Amino acid sequence: QSALTQPASVSGSPGQSITISCIGTSSDVGSYDLVSWYQQHPGKVPKLMIYEGSKRPSGVSNRFSGSKSGNTASLTISGLQADDEADYYCCSYAGSFWLFGGGTTVTVL
Amino acid sequence: QVQLQESGPGLVKPSQTLSLTCTVSGSSINSGDYYWSWIRQPAGKGLEWVGRVYTSGRTNYNPSLKSRVTISVDTSKNQFSLKLSSVTAADTAVYYCAREGVSAADYWGQGTLVTVSS
Repeated sequence: QSALTQPASVSGSPGQSITISCIGTSSDVGSYDLVSWYQQHPGKVPKLMIYEGSKRPSGVSNRFSGSKSGNTASLTISGLQADDEADYYCCSYAGSFWLFGGGTTVTVL
Repeated sequence: QVQLQESGPGLVKPSQTLSLTCTVSGSSINSGDYYWSWIRQPAGKGLEWVGRVYTSGRTNYNPSLKSRVTISVDTSKNQFSLKLSSVTAADTAVYYCAREGVSAADYWGQGTLVTVSS
């Protein structure tokens, strides 16, 4: 099985909105509403930002939102802030195992 | 507050078996409907899901590692463990243990670096 496909990098100015795509297949993203997104700052532990496609854990800003269309999941960060600069990973259930994306580096200009 | 802590050798020789343990505190590993997972990350690279264990002992593994991975749980010690056999340099990574709740890894350990080298 191949990793989910994410853009290597996305950038935006403070206050702008950006969207990170996560392209899977009909065997993973397209079959299950079980996509999660993780934020990882350099040298830090990944942090869960979105689960089950669009749900936010307690304490995660509502500037982060998730969606899905077909085999593609997306993470949108609105009102971009300096602290949002990090790596972001999508993850999808693939029927008995989990599959991560390759990761996207978000740069705040 | 659930806390997880990985432990085990930081250096493993090629062809040997990597063994790590994750100790869970702040909650019984038996409480709730959770899987307990291992995820790894080579330096400068992305995350890779290794596998998971349920408190019943039921397991799921990454198909690409399945032939070399064993994950087990010891509820009496509130721990779960990872064994990865026949390791090579490609298995060098930071290994994280995590709790899988809400269909995602919601609590993570700090990670432990395992280097495969002679």
